[in-house]
Amino acid sequence: AQKVTQAQTEISVVEKEDVTLDCVYETRDTTYYLFWYKQPPSGELVFLIRRNSFDEQNEISGRYSWNFQKSTSSFNFTITASQVVDSAVYFCALSERISGGTSYGKLTFGQGTILTVHP
Amino acid sequence: SQTIHQWPATLVQPVGSPLSLECTVEGTSNPNLYWYRQAAGRGLQLLFYSVGIGQISSEVPQNLSASRPQDRQFILSSKKLLLSDSGFYLCAWSVGQVMGQPQHFGDGTRLSIL
Repeated sequence: AQKVTQAQTEISVVEKEDVTLDCVYETRDTTYYLFWYKQPPSGELVFLIRRNSFDEQNEISGRYSWNFQKSTSSFNFTITASQVVDSAVYFCALSERISGGTSYGKLTFGQGTILTVHP
Repeated sequence: SQTIHQWPATLVQPVGSPLSLECTVEGTSNPNLYWYRQAAGRGLQLLFYSVGIGQISSEVPQNLSASRPQDRQFILSSKKLLLSDSGFYLCAWSVGQVMGQPQHFGDGTRLSIL
């Protein structure tokens, strides 16, 4: 069975600190996709990034960066120079394998990490 | 561009009353559709998903049901609400028939059962 573990339940930092959110996954598939979502206090989930299992290049988008390492089954998310607006719950997710030749797009979500950035 | 609408945003219902939450998607055809529940602002529990009209898969046995009467419409229902049905309900869609597509979420419905 697939599993996503976000061991950090809550993280609290002061503005301008760097913070890394950990995500470890388990899957038997050789082809899979990983995702990060942000859930601000307003509640909606915002899609941040998708990474496929064949692309281990790190990605940077502004203050956000993602480190994908297949050898350790990890897909960690770093926020550089954190800001108060980064306060949210962050979810890591893994795509589920195709069943019967038809992809139904299900995702396995981690339990989320609550990030609080203090001014 | 694609958009997803979910309503109502907030709902307060007495125990034993019926429920109907609606979700519609615009700008795409034959999407996969999902209903999630989130308790206490933490993990997402997948309740139902659908790959086409009338095709509903239930992930967790419970007091709720789902229907997809039209391609881009997904409805979450209950005949008699329980206290344990309280929570934050999220509808989502993804591109159908293609693996690895991100899910895109609605704004959610906060349901309180009294």
